[in-house]
Amino acid sequence: QSVVTQPPSVSGTPGQRVTISCSGGNSNIGSRAVNWYQHLPGTAPKLIIHTNNQRPSGVPDRFSGSKSGTSASLAISGLQSEDEADYYCAVWNDSLNARVFGGGTKLAVL
Amino acid sequence: EVQLLESGGGLLQPGESLRLSCAVSGFTVSSYAMAWVRQAPGKGLEWVSSIAVGGIPYYAGSVRGRFTISRDTSRNTLYLQMTSLRAEDTAIYYCARDTILDYWGQGTLVAVSS
Repeated sequence: QSVVTQPPSVSGTPGQRVTISCSGGNSNIGSRAVNWYQHLPGTAPKLIIHTNNQRPSGVPDRFSGSKSGTSASLAISGLQSEDEADYYCAVWNDSLNARVFGGGTKLAVL
Repeated sequence: EVQLLESGGGLLQPGESLRLSCAVSGFTVSSYAMAWVRQAPGKGLEWVSSIAVGGIPYYAGSVRGRFTISRDTSRNTLYLQMTSLRAEDTAIYYCARDTILDYWGQGTLVAVSS
């Protein structure tokens, strides 16, 4: 059971906008920056959002991140079939002195 | 071009030890924090350990006291020494450049089974 919680799955149809939530507490999201990763099994995870809302070079602007209080969100607009993957939030936890990943959210593009 | 290449994985029995390596090119390991992250079969990503630029190590509670992270600047390589291995350590182990984990290797499989 992670200290940072994500929904196990979300789904959408091509072209739609979906959001994935990441809920934590004062010792992690409430005081630290959140990063988001896209992961296809068997491949290296890919950083898609860092420092709450910053997109690395090469990541489409369909991906956006936000943070408010002890929660963060990843939004994907103009959903495409290639977006089907597992998505993870990650943040440093001050009380554990450790990085924590959310449990991951499987995105299905129907 | 930045590249990270893990090696050293294998099949082991409970209680055995193993050292993973992560050969880095494109940047200097001593100039960045570095991390190990794993994914057990059917599970999500789990942070294992990080080493700060100054050399201070950090560990997940599940591996503290059994795993040791280190780096060799002459070889530009990151290591993870794993001892007293357990079945629950079975996973693909990835190395990554910290603190935002912006570059990752392809992973190496560690399987612990009797």
